[in-house]
Amino acid sequence: ETGVTQSPTHLIKTRGQQVTLRCSSQSGHNTVSWYQQALGQGPQFIFQYYREEENGRGNFPPRFSGLQFPNYSSELNVNALELDDSALYLCASSFRLMWPQHFGDGTRLSIL
Amino acid sequence: AQSVTQLDSHVSVSEGTPVLLRCNYSSSYSPSLFWYVQHPNKGLQLLLKYTSAATLVKGINGFEAEFKKSETSFHLTKPSAHMSDAAEYFCVVSEGNTGNQFYFGTGTSLTVIP
Repeated sequence: ETGVTQSPTHLIKTRGQQVTLRCSSQSGHNTVSWYQQALGQGPQFIFQYYREEENGRGNFPPRFSGLQFPNYSSELNVNALELDDSALYLCASSFRLMWPQHFGDGTRLSIL
Repeated sequence: AQSVTQLDSHVSVSEGTPVLLRCNYSSSYSPSLFWYVQHPNKGLQLLLKYTSAATLVKGINGFEAEFKKSETSFHLTKPSAHMSDAAEYFCVVSEGNTGNQFYFGTGTSLTVIP
């Protein structure tokens, strides 16, 4: 069984740039959720995709957007990067909308 | 609305002694509750889950947790700490058995002293 994989593992960007993070869900899972984890904090829900449709969104601005593809992999896009976007971005997958979610190791994004 | 409070930001125990990590929750619905562990620079690993079955839940690596509705608590315990247990632990609540949001606590950092 293949787990959740995320790429890249680390990324450095500057303010104002755009970034795309990628996630491959665990085999058999069709739901993907994205979380932002700032240093020393718990993860915060960004949004969830179920069968290629957005299925809920947390308190994040529109410059955070996403996609889910027919194979259930997903992308997180962030435009106009700000210093506060520096964080670990976690992807989690699950079967349908059922818990629990299975997490990848995350992408560490640093904004200079 | 759901929320989670982890009562201790940091817990330190000696190897071989019991571990207690405290979690209180609030939920408007029948909650599902989880404990996840996060080792440095890693994603989160599920330790155990409560989804309205038995109130005493056994998880991996000897951890267990008890759901107490009257106290709105879901404390995590382990009889004997091991050095490899040193990590960040998160208590998580969600609505019922489905739903699109996990609500995380702020985490408890567990240190195990040799």
